[in-house]
Amino acid sequence: NAGVTQTPKFQVLKTGQSMTLQCAQDMNHNSMYWYRQDPGMGLRLIYYSASEGTTDKGEVPNGYNVSRLNKREFSLRLESAAPSQTSVYFCASRRQTNQPQHFGDGTRLSIL
Amino acid sequence: AQKITQTQPGMFVQEKEAVTLDCTYDTSDQSYGLFWYKQPSSGEMIFLIYQGSYDEQNATEGRYSLNFQKARKSANLVISASQLGDSAMYFCAMREGGSNYKLTFGKGTLLTVNP
Repeated sequence: NAGVTQTPKFQVLKTGQSMTLQCAQDMNHNSMYWYRQDPGMGLRLIYYSASEGTTDKGEVPNGYNVSRLNKREFSLRLESAAPSQTSVYFCASRRQTNQPQHFGDGTRLSIL
Repeated sequence: AQKITQTQPGMFVQEKEAVTLDCTYDTSDQSYGLFWYKQPSSGEMIFLIYQGSYDEQNATEGRYSLNFQKARKSANLVISASQLGDSAMYFCAMREGGSNYKLTFGKGTLLTVNP
């Protein structure tokens, strides 16, 4: 009954450090997504992967990279963290077009 | 221009009453889909209801219904018989036909249910 699992749940980084957020889904979904949520901004798409082997930029991709490691796993990397990347990060997955996206519980990331 | 507009930053409702959360959208696509999600204070995102642009009837899921007015480009969420556990942030989101894989979210409405 896991659904979408994100690790870690919390992380504090110093400016300039690197970090990879992990996401795995066990629902055999084709598409996976990374969002960030900031106060008053709703959710904004960082990157997505429509299917295994493909990745595309979303609305706010600068400062991030992603890897679709296999059908289950989609990671988000911050190469050189900046305070502006302090946010809550959500991973999501979806089976097909009119199906809802299923979200992980989020990663709360603070960059000092 | 914003694709999804939720004009109510916060709403209050008495327990057991109905409440409508507004959502207007902007798209030139004929094929699109609208979703509502709930985010309680614990932070998880919970899918509530979906309406496709070609669906002839308004979607319903238990106490949730979607008042879909295509000509007005609105997709309001109606919660009947509000419960204390309905207190949460509610997000409207749209999938456009030209970008089948992406959702665009509104900024959300914070609903507080008073006893």
